[in-house]
Amino acid sequence: DADVTQTPRNRITKTGKRIMLECSQTKGHDRMYWYRQDPGLGLQLIYYSFDVKDINKGEISDGYSVSRQAQAKFSLSLESAIPNQTALYFCATSDSQSSYNEQFFGPGTRLTVL
Amino acid sequence: GIQVEQSPPDLILQEGANSTLRCNFSDSVNNLQWFHQNPWGQLINLFYIPSGTKQNGRLSATTVATERYSLLYISSSQTTDSGVYFCAVDQYSGAGSYQLTFGKGTKLSVIP
Repeated sequence: DADVTQTPRNRITKTGKRIMLECSQTKGHDRMYWYRQDPGLGLQLIYYSFDVKDINKGEISDGYSVSRQAQAKFSLSLESAIPNQTALYFCATSDSQSSYNEQFFGPGTRLTVL
Repeated sequence: GIQVEQSPPDLILQEGANSTLRCNFSDSVNNLQWFHQNPWGQLINLFYIPSGTKQNGRLSATTVATERYSLLYISSSQTTDSGVYFCAVDQYSGAGSYQLTFGKGTKLSVIP
């Protein structure tokens, strides 16, 4: 969805490096999410935020941290990257004012940790 | 937590054929979404369908919430339909929070 953008789209890094993935959205949604997808699997929730002051851990938060800099921006950090964090990372948004909780996804960031 | 099972895991179709993908879930849910992940990895929303039937062109979906399953129908398949189809269910997890849980997907290959 073009309304949700992620940078970078591809990144190769080395073990032990700190890396930040960024997500921006123009949908005006208040809720934002970070997911990880491993090859051949569905997506798993890392962190989610319901507003700027609200950050919550998902099912696989170990090794990750997040920052919600503004309603439209949500960043994911790997403080010390390790090879098993190699995956496809997705940001998503949803609108709490909607009667639905439909989530909309960004294009993904393909991260390789060597 | 809730379990989401998709079948079949892999499907190969001749162009023009029809198919049905199934999603079973283990508990009551607030919402259900179908996604198509194209070969470039992008996730495309197909349907938001907690219950009932919806149609969008050659695709349609039906969710029977009381029996905990959803079906995605693809008619007159095209090579551009190739990719992985995910079902994801949204379950209330307390304190105003909803969590989207994904199945492992059905990988569809449409051959000319």
